[in-house]
Amino acid sequence: DTGVSQNPRHKITKRGQNVTFRCDPISEHNRLYWYRQTLGQGPEFLTYFQNEAQLEKSRLLSDRFSAERPKGSFSTLEIQRTEQGDSAMYLCASSPGTGVTEAFFGQGTRLTVV
Amino acid sequence: AQKVTQAQTEISVVEKEDVTLDCVYETRDTTYYLFWYKQPPSGELVFLIRRNSFDEQNEISGRYSWNFQKSTSSFNFTITASQVVDSAVYFCALGGLSGGSYIPTFGRGTSLIVHP
Repeated sequence: DTGVSQNPRHKITKRGQNVTFRCDPISEHNRLYWYRQTLGQGPEFLTYFQNEAQLEKSRLLSDRFSAERPKGSFSTLEIQRTEQGDSAMYLCASSPGTGVTEAFFGQGTRLTVV
Repeated sequence: AQKVTQAQTEISVVEKEDVTLDCVYETRDTTYYLFWYKQPPSGELVFLIRRNSFDEQNEISGRYSWNFQKSTSSFNFTITASQVVDSAVYFCALGGLSGGSYIPTFGRGTSLIVHP
């Protein structure tokens, strides 16, 4: 499978715990995006990487959220001290680094905070 | 600020009917991109089409067609002879240049239900 891969697919955690999600983009895609989607809503942009550089961050990305892409390949999204409002689907997407192309999305990680 | 409005929350049709999904956008950029994505029940967003702001030509791909009208800031999507497999949530998105990439801003989506 050469698509965008996200792990885990589902995560249930207790409020206050830290969680980390992983995204493996399509090979050779330089751009990587994180989005959050809640029920009945469209995906909301969180952050964007060009290779290992984090170039854009949404104001939705509070201090409890941090994303990394250390070698310009896979990326991780960590949420510290989770709250019930963090329950959502977290989507990762990637696109080639040249020109304007569409973003290809993974199947997402569904987070439930209890 | 960029904004995408999909006023239709849910549309229900019977198979073989034609259906149009509306998308209205707001942007101050002169160069931007518009996208449509499909999200089936499995959850993965599937890319359907990309259009740049300088290309107002309508496009047809099989049963799908798109009507881009810059004058009304609309990018509507029509499915002809709908099928049950078309049942999904459809998202319109607007990509404005930020950080060297056209990062899509999504609308809230329109849920299409096609009944047999």
